[in-house]
Amino acid sequence: AQSVTQPDIHITVSEGASLELRCNYSYGATPYLFWYVQSPGQGLQLLLKYFSGDTLVQGIKGFEAEFKRSQSSFNLRKPSVHWSDAAEYFCAVSPYNQGGKLIFGQGTELSVKP
Amino acid sequence: DADVTQTPRNRITKTGKRIMLECSQTKGHDRMYWYRQDPGLGLRLIYYSFDVKDINKGEISDGYSVSRQAQAKFSLSLESAIPNQTALYFCATWDRVKSEQFFGPGTRLTVL
Repeated sequence: AQSVTQPDIHITVSEGASLELRCNYSYGATPYLFWYVQSPGQGLQLLLKYFSGDTLVQGIKGFEAEFKRSQSSFNLRKPSVHWSDAAEYFCAVSPYNQGGKLIFGQGTELSVKP
Repeated sequence: DADVTQTPRNRITKTGKRIMLECSQTKGHDRMYWYRQDPGLGLRLIYYSFDVKDINKGEISDGYSVSRQAQAKFSLSLESAIPNQTALYFCATWDRVKSEQFFGPGTRLTVL
């Protein structure tokens, strides 16, 4: 069965420090891959997505993610974290022929220290 | 701006009551979804609909039913609510051109 694992439940970083959130998936072929952010009390906003092509994708708010087929990973990165980045982050996959049926990871809550 | 809306935004109810959560969208998308979010579990798919006549069960459909009244409307019902259905519920649509999912703001449901 397809699955998504976000190993880190909670991460705390200092403002200005770099960030990497991990995501691993289990699927027989390359699925569609997504990262969403959920600010407190808010819905989900798409940060970036990967379908094919260049394995390094750029998203909104200065985020990027790198797809590594050999590791079945799609880690999210940001060079310098801002206090407003504090939120919960979700990695999700969708099999390419089942568009819209997203399978989500458990989420990683990001706290930012001043 | 085109949008996905959910009503109500918050609801407190008692065990055994019937509850309906409503979702409307102005994006013109034919595919709609219902998810529930629980702490530490992420979002899980309850039901999805590819068009008005095509409704499918998701990962956790037991205890839920849905109705697709029109392309723009997709309702989720809890026939007899129980406390472990306390969760945050999201409606979503799928843009087949962009291959992106758009979420509503969520409905926080508490079953006492």
